[in-house]
Amino acid sequence: RKEVEQDPGPFNVPEGATVAFNCTYSNSASQSFFWYRQDCRKEPKLLMSVYSSGNEDGRFTAQLNRASQYISLLIRDSKLSDSATYLCVVISTSGTYKYIFGTGTRLKVLA
Amino acid sequence: DAGVIQSPRHEVTEMGQEVTLRCKPISGHNSLFWYRQTMMRGLELLIYFNNNVPIDDSGMPEDRFSAKMPNASFSTLKIQPSEPRDSAVYFCASSPQGGGQPQHFGDGTRLSIL
Repeated sequence: RKEVEQDPGPFNVPEGATVAFNCTYSNSASQSFFWYRQDCRKEPKLLMSVYSSGNEDGRFTAQLNRASQYISLLIRDSKLSDSATYLCVVISTSGTYKYIFGTGTRLKVLA
Repeated sequence: DAGVIQSPRHEVTEMGQEVTLRCKPISGHNSLFWYRQTMMRGLELLIYFNNNVPIDDSGMPEDRFSAKMPNASFSTLKIQPSEPRDSAVYFCASSPQGGGQPQHFGDGTRLSIL
């Protein structure tokens, strides 16, 4: 089993739709979690951190479920410009910090 | 604010040649990471430095790959000799000290080995 897993998609959704992605992780000692966005042929860019109590940034909501070991990203009122690949990152420590990226979920928002 | 700066942006070379990729992290960031991204394998961590010291190089594919960080503002990733299977996008990222902080990526170097 991979340490961090994401459904590769693509998720094809119409403009205005709500879409959610999950990211599961295997290390229960994982401490920090982030969502990144990557556009085609570009670098990953930090979208938002994921806090234990859940957090929201505009149309984006991130949540952490430690019991089931997954994080989620919810996008409301999807825009065409939201089309991208969304990567989750899980950070754990066992002496040193270990950063594990998921392979990403591809989102296409259709007009 | 200057972000992570990588050079070159693109590199095309023949197999067997030495390739050197360069990275300047964000000023004040103490951790630096080298990643490789391909369609097949996704984003792979090759090595990371903390305060210029290599902490985890378990992702370095083989002895043909080496990385250095002679000072806080510069790092290199070298491939010698290069092979076609090394073709990928190589990203450098940096993060503030403290561990567990999010990383900020450079634009990447698109490497093609013929």
